[in-house]
Parts: sequence; C-alpha cells; structure tokens
Amino acid sequence: EDQVTQSPEALRLQEGESSSLNCSYTVSGLRGLFWYRQDPGKGPEFLFTLYSAGEEKEKERLKATLTKKESFLHITAPKPEDSATYLCAVQAGNTGKLIFGQGTTLQVKP
Amino acid sequence: GAGVSQSPSNKVTEKGKDVELRCDPISGHTALYWYRQRLGQGLEFLIYFQGNSAPDKSGLPSDRFSAERTGESVSTLTIQRTQQEDSAVYLCASSLGGTGIRSGYTFGSGTRLTVV
Repeated sequence: EDQVTQSPEALRLQEGESSSLNCSYTVSGLRGLFWYRQDPGKGPEFLFTLYSAGEEKEKERLKATLTKKESFLHITAPKPEDSATYLCAVQAGNTGKLIFGQGTTLQVKP
Repeated sequence: GAGVSQSPSNKVTEKGKDVELRCDPISGHTALYWYRQRLGQGLEFLIYFQGNSAPDKSGLPSDRFSAERTGESVSTLTIQRTQQEDSAVYLCASSLGGTGIRSGYTFGSGTRLTVV
C-alpha cells in the first residue's frame, strides 16, 4: 500500500536555528514527490516537485532533497514567517492523485 | 479567475441534511480534484475529474458522497444525509493536466463543514 510518513509532527525552532523535516514514503512507481506549505485557514501552497533520487530544489531558505526512500526539507536560518504546516505528498499512477503525509507543524520563534 | 475559488467558506448543517459545496477552478485547468482534511490529519483524496468525466472516484467514502463537473469548469461536491464524521475542511484543487502536474496543484482555501 502506498504510504507517506512525516516526522516530526511538530517542530519548534528559534529564529536562525536550521533544521530538517523528514518525509518517508513507500510507493509503487513514484511519479513525483511534492512539498506544500499550509498556513492556518488556507489551502496548501505548492513549493517543490522532485522526480528522481539525488535531485535537489531550492527556494529562499528552503531546500528539498530526494532519495529512493525519503525526502528532506532543509530550512536554513528560519524566520518567524516560515512558521506553517509543511506537507509532503507522492504521486502514484496516472491520475494525478496525491497521497499526503500528516504534515509537520513548524513554529519559529523570534 | 486568478485562483481556485470555493464556496461557501464555512457551512454549519444539521445531521441528516444534504449539503452542496462548490469549486471554481482556474480557467483552462482541465484537471480538478477534491480532498478532505479532518482536524489534525493529512489530506484524503476523494475524486479526480479530467474534463467533465471522473476517471478516479476511489476516495469517495460512501454512496452519500457524489460529485459532478460541468462545462469543464465548476464542480459540485454533494453530501447527502450528513453525519458528524463528515465534519472536515473540503479542499478543491486544479491543474493543467491530470498526468503532468510538474508545477503541482493550485488549491482553494476550502469549505469548513461542521455537522451538528
């Protein structure tokens, strides 16, 4: 069964304290791994798509990496505005359907 | 429109009543998806539309749930005889194509459904 597990469930950082979020997955025929950011009361906002092991993508203070079993979202020198829930999802099959993890809620304190 | 629009943003209904949730996707997006997000949980896939047809409705939890899409645009998710376990945020998303979603979906802000 296709499955996505994110850890930790919650993470509290001081401003400037770098860290990583983990997304472990099992899927038959990975067609893409996606990272989204979700703010309270809003829909998820697309961040990155990764397709193959070894691939990396960067956006401002965020960098996503991919191996055959997991993905990491590295946050470098975070700011309070990076506080949000970060969702990982995998696409399996041809329909565009995504399987989401439970998310990691990040709080960055000034 | 510029983004995916969902209405209403909030809906409180009595147990046993029917509800309709509406989604207006981004113009030109042929693929449309419905997801459900229960409090503190991840997103659960409900149904996928490509144009006006639904090739994947495997996530609909029971026959009380149905959805349709017309004119390759607006979609309506209908829940009949609502139950308390239906309380959740219902999210709609659209993309240019079902198989090629390199730039991800664009989500709406969701409809928060509360069944009392």
